[in-house]
Amino acid sequence: GAVVSQHPSWVICKSGTSVKIECRSLDFQATTMFWYRQFPKQSLMLMATSNEGSKATYEQGVEKDKFLINHASLTLSTLTVTSAHPEDSSFYICSATVRDVEQYFGPGTRLTVT
Amino acid sequence: SQQGEEDPQALSIQEGENATMNCSYKTSINNLQWYRQNSGRGLVHLILIRSNEREKHSGRLRVTLDTSKKSSSLLITASRAADTASYFCATGVDSWGKLQFGAGTQVVVTP
Repeated sequence: GAVVSQHPSWVICKSGTSVKIECRSLDFQATTMFWYRQFPKQSLMLMATSNEGSKATYEQGVEKDKFLINHASLTLSTLTVTSAHPEDSSFYICSATVRDVEQYFGPGTRLTVT
Repeated sequence: SQQGEEDPQALSIQEGENATMNCSYKTSINNLQWYRQNSGRGLVHLILIRSNEREKHSGRLRVTLDTSKKSSSLLITASRAADTASYFCATGVDSWGKLQFGAGTQVVVTP
């Protein structure tokens, strides 16, 4: 099946710094990538939808200036958490899809902000 | 935002028993998907059922969809300890593949 990778798997950073998370579709070209965050023992919350070559569409309540998404190619999307704070600590998961079929999820990135 | 609710929130069963969990949603959908997540890991796609389908099977999994009641169920037959995980339903709501996830059911299967 299709493989989606994320890098890094986990990251610890200091409050006020920025962190970039990469999401790659390894063996297919994704028309759309999605970014989710998940708090412990909770469900996935969609943050934004990312289409190659266009601006990301953010869900209500998600700060676009804080969570910068760049979709540079059909196989790469990045999420940058700017000026991270402890409340941004979470599990960030990306997924990639080719139109209206199943989504392929990355393994997730655990972010801890100290 | 989350689309719907799942019940039960948690389920503990013994190996060999069947596990059933339900998912309800609020808006019209293109499809409904079930995923499994082991603790602290990514999601594994289990099964997709389209809005014009009523039932689907995959190995020990059986999914039903009732669009009139806006609900779906996932049945795992002859459960194994390796089935211990959280299970999420997700509704596909647009042509881009956007998913809205339910709250999830935590399943524990004891040997």
